[in-house]
Amino acid sequence: EIVLTQSPATLSLSPGERATLSCRASQSVSNFLAWYQQKPGQAPRLLIHDVSIRATGIPARFIGSGSGTDFTLTISSLEPEDFAVYYCQQRSNWPVFGGGTKVEIK
Amino acid sequence: QVLLVQSGAEVKKPGSSVKVSCKSSAGTFSSYAISWVRQAPGQGLEWMGQIIPFFGTTNYAQRFQGRVTVSTDESTSTAYLELNSLISEDTAVYYCARSPGDYVPQDYFDYWGQGTLVTVSS
Repeated sequence: EIVLTQSPATLSLSPGERATLSCRASQSVSNFLAWYQQKPGQAPRLLIHDVSIRATGIPARFIGSGSGTDFTLTISSLEPEDFAVYYCQQRSNWPVFGGGTKVEIK
Repeated sequence: QVLLVQSGAEVKKPGSSVKVSCKSSAGTFSSYAISWVRQAPGQGLEWMGQIIPFFGTTNYAQRFQGRVTVSTDESTSTAYLELNSLISEDTAVYYCARSPGDYVPQDYFDYWGQGTLVTVSS
């Protein structure tokens, strides 16, 4: 089974700062990598699929990059509504999620 | 816009079973895969299994094989998750989620239900 490791576990930043979230796969997942945002008490929301394609309605400040085993979600300038938990997910075989990164207000 | 509406919270005894429903508002229910993803309190997301209603084909995560059944009723555009032999560690919020891709799921999730809390307690 492919394991996804997200780092850091927690990221403490201020609004307006740049957030860089990492997701590393135990083996190549090609470009089959998605990112989700989850706020407390809510279902996850799809942000990006296939490494870098933003889902409908997702702002341009969310940028996905990477290939093979190393992937990054960058939020170019944090807005107050961006403080949440972020999960990566691979679909190279069956779906597997990473453990999540919490982006909190510093 | 696709709306997935799930059934309400459940409290179950250890050893019993639970069946959660997920009703889709989408007109093309049968061609899109529906997955079930759970989240234990304070924990991450865990994919359990999926079904493509049109074909009736199912896939399950290995750790749930033999204990979980995913099914659909196309007449009501509803998907179901049944989990048997419940233990306390099955306490979680259970989500249904749709994968894009007509007949061939792309295995990421663009629409989610609101979640159903299942509590397993004696």
